[in-house]
Amino acid sequence: GAVVSQHPSRVICKSGTSVKIECRSLDFQATTMFWYRQFPKQSLMLMATSNEGSKATYEQGVEKDKFLINHASLTLSTLTVTSAHPEDSSFYICSASPPTSGNYEQYFGPGTRLTVT
Amino acid sequence: QKEVEQNSGPLSVPEGAIASLNCTYSDRVSQSFFWYRQYSGKSPELIMSIYSNGDKEDGRFTAQLNKASQYVSLLIRDSQPSDSATYLCAVSSYGKLTFGQGTILTVHP
Repeated sequence: GAVVSQHPSRVICKSGTSVKIECRSLDFQATTMFWYRQFPKQSLMLMATSNEGSKATYEQGVEKDKFLINHASLTLSTLTVTSAHPEDSSFYICSASPPTSGNYEQYFGPGTRLTVT
Repeated sequence: QKEVEQNSGPLSVPEGAIASLNCTYSDRVSQSFFWYRQYSGKSPELIMSIYSNGDKEDGRFTAQLNKASQYVSLLIRDSQPSDSATYLCAVSSYGKLTFGQGTILTVHP
């Protein structure tokens, strides 16, 4: 149990375009999902908390107009990187907590590697 | 600012030895503590969670928590080359995880 998927696994886009990343919980419903970013040789940094049916909560320093989050159902959250630039190139990973864990344990998707040229 | 500190390593141990990974955290209201394993190019995989003081064992892994000292550790017994990875300590406060920078572990045959 506690399987989280992401799509796509890898994407290359041109500077100025937008990219949408999907995160799905496959075997449980998740009222909350989390989006992280990881640069090479660095640890994971929380970008935002995605809440089903309401607005996402962004961490300090993360531009909410650039990183659009939509959590339209209990199994799907999307992250759209708008007007992407080379500095947005990173490993984007989502996570979710199954209700049986008391919402404490977070399980991660396989990640999406974004390269902006 | 909430901080989670780990020795970045690399930590190198021979196959069959015990690997000891340490982590300290600054936020005293932290409630839950986790160890994740991350292979190069992959996302983190949850290997241990611990919520109360003391030891928790799962197979070859033992997590230890000391809230008074704000200290969490992970012991890996009978280390195998397949255990070579980056180990991330994560601390949860009100549902949000803060990660340490990770310890690189290399198990050599």
